[in-house]
Amino acid sequence: EVQLLESGGGLVQPGGSLRLSCVASGFTFSTTAMAWVRQAPGKGLEWVSAFGGTDDKTDYADSVKGRFTISRDNSKNTLYLQMNSLRADDTAVYYCAKDLWGWSFDLWGRGTLVTVSS
Amino acid sequence: EIVMTQSPATLSVSPGERVTLSCRASQSFNNNLAWYQQKPGQAPRLLIYRASTRATGIPARFSGSGSGTEFTLTISSLQSEDFAVYYCQIHNNWPLTFGGGTKVEIK
Repeated sequence: EVQLLESGGGLVQPGGSLRLSCVASGFTFSTTAMAWVRQAPGKGLEWVSAFGGTDDKTDYADSVKGRFTISRDNSKNTLYLQMNSLRADDTAVYYCAKDLWGWSFDLWGRGTLVTVSS
Repeated sequence: EIVMTQSPATLSVSPGERVTLSCRASQSFNNNLAWYQQKPGQAPRLLIYRASTRATGIPARFSGSGSGTEFTLTISSLQSEDFAVYYCQIHNNWPLTFGGGTKVEIK
C-alpha cells in the first residue's frame, strides 16, 4: 500500500526540540522528492521544508530557517524533521508529503500534532 | 515571494450547482499551480497540477484553468462529497506558497 506515516509529535515547551519522522511505503522513496507542510489549528497550509529526490538539495521556509533541519534515510524509507528552538507559532499539524511533479504533492500522511506551550 | 490570494473566503452552494474558485498571484509566474481539497480532519488531496492537469483518480467535474496571475478551479456540478476547503499552491517556484483557502459550504 502506498502511504506515509508520520510520528514524533507531542507537547514541548518553548525553546525545546522535537524530531518528526515519516515512514514511506509503496513507492521508490530513494528517488522521490519529499516535503513537510504544516497547518496551524484552524488555519491554512504552510510549506515548511523540502528535500530533493535525485540530489541532496534542501530548502526551508523563512519562518523555520536556521531552526529546522530536514534529512532522510533512504535505507529506512524515512524522512525526518529536526525542530529546534520551538516557538508557540510552530504549533501545528505537520504533514509529510510526496512530490508528484515539480513540488506538487500527490500523497500525504495523516499528520502529527506538535504543540508548543509552557 | 509570490503571494497567492484566494476568493471568496467562503462560498455557499447548493448541490448540482457549478462552482468557480479563484486564485490570484501577486506576480506572474510559470503556471505551475496546484489545487487541493481538504475535508475536516483529513490531509489535503491533490486535484490539479500544472494549472490544468487532473491528478490520478480525480473526477472530470474538476477542472483547472488560467495563466499569468489569474487561475480558476471549476467544479461543473457540485456533489455532496465536494463540500470542503480548497487551496491553491504555487509549485516549481520557490518558496512554495499556498493560498489562504476557500471553504465551499452547503447553502
